[in-house]
Amino acid sequence: RKEVEQDPGPFNVPEGATVAFNCTYSNSASQSFFWYRQDCRKEPKLLMSVYSSGNEDGRFTAQLNRASQYISLLIRDSKLSDSATYLCVVNMRGGSYIPTFGRGTSLIVHP
Amino acid sequence: DADVTQTPRNRITKTGKRIMLECSQTKGHDRMYWYRQDPGLGLRLIYYSFDVKDINKGEISDGYSVSRQAQAKFSLSLESAIPNQTALYFCATSEQGDGYTFGSGTRLTVV
Repeated sequence: RKEVEQDPGPFNVPEGATVAFNCTYSNSASQSFFWYRQDCRKEPKLLMSVYSSGNEDGRFTAQLNRASQYISLLIRDSKLSDSATYLCVVNMRGGSYIPTFGRGTSLIVHP
Repeated sequence: DADVTQTPRNRITKTGKRIMLECSQTKGHDRMYWYRQDPGLGLRLIYYSFDVKDINKGEISDGYSVSRQAQAKFSLSLESAIPNQTALYFCATSEQGDGYTFGSGTRLTVV
């Protein structure tokens, strides 16, 4: 089982739709979680951190489910500009751990 | 100025040539990484460094070498470039337990 798994998509949704992605992780000791956005041929950029209590930033909501070992990203009222690949990143605090990436979920928002 | 700067942005080189990709950061992070990204394969770790005296191989280090010249500088070398090293290369930094900050990437083509 891969350490971090994402459905590659693409998720093809109309403007205004609500869409959700999940990301599962295998290591129960994982401590910090992030969602990144990557536009075509650009570098990934931090979208939001994922806290145990959840995190909301405008139209974006991220949640963590430790019992089932997944994080989610919900996008409400999708815009054309939300079209991108969304990467989840899982990390563990301390020691020699390095962040682990999922392969990303592609979102296409169409008119 | 960008937090993480990569040079060059684009490079075309011939098979068998040695090439160096440079990365510098102003974040003050100890940890630096080199990734390559290929369509459909996501980000794959080449090398990483937790401090100036620490160098570690990632999952695809064959054919590459690195040098950590200072806390702020981490360069990647292709000793003898081959066409399947054509890819988008990203440098990144992080703090322990946190997410990444990426450079803008180097698009390398080996002909």
